[in-house]
Amino acid sequence: EIVMTQFPATLSVSPGERATLSCRASQSVSRNLAWHQQKPGQAPRLLIYGASTRATGIPDRFSGSGSGTEFTLTISSLQSEDFAVYYCQQFDDWPLTFGGGTKVEIK
Amino acid sequence: QVQVVESGGGVVQPGRSLRLSCEASGFTFNTHGMHWVRQAPGKGLEWVAVIWYDGKNKSYADSVKGRFTISRDNSKNTLSLQMNSLRAEDAAVYYCARDALQYDISGALDYWGQGSLVTVSS
Repeated sequence: EIVMTQFPATLSVSPGERATLSCRASQSVSRNLAWHQQKPGQAPRLLIYGASTRATGIPDRFSGSGSGTEFTLTISSLQSEDFAVYYCQQFDDWPLTFGGGTKVEIK
Repeated sequence: QVQVVESGGGVVQPGRSLRLSCEASGFTFNTHGMHWVRQAPGKGLEWVAVIWYDGKNKSYADSVKGRFTISRDNSKNTLSLQMNSLRAEDAAVYYCARDALQYDISGALDYWGQGSLVTVSS
């Protein structure tokens, strides 16, 4: 199965600052990569699919880039509601697999 | 608006069975594939199973193959997960999620339910 690795595990950022999250696949997933946000006690929410396409209703401060094995999620100016855990997920091959998550916390 | 709501979770002894349900609304259920994804306490996300929009194709994670069965009733907009021979490591919050594509499967999960907690304990 394709192993997804996210780094860093925890990112401490001040409100208004930029956050850059990374995700690496153990083999190429082309652009079949999604990013999900999960807040404590809540369901995950799709942010980005196809590596760079924002899902419905997602603010443009969220952007995704990359292809193949290296991907990045950037949050341009962190808002209070953005502090959460972010998961990357590949949908290039079965089984679908997720990264271990990056927790974005308040600095 | 799109909604998926899970139910049926609870406490079950190892080796016993449990059936989860997911009721969908706000979209044309019979045109979208549906998935189950689980999250053990304090852990990350693990994909469990998928069923195509018409119910004709299914796929499972190796960890549940032969023990879990995914099904759907398009007349009732309902997805189910029958879980047999439960183990301690199956304890998790189980989410149902909609596949983003219509009439096929992409693997992109665009709407998630709030989850249903399954505890496996003697």
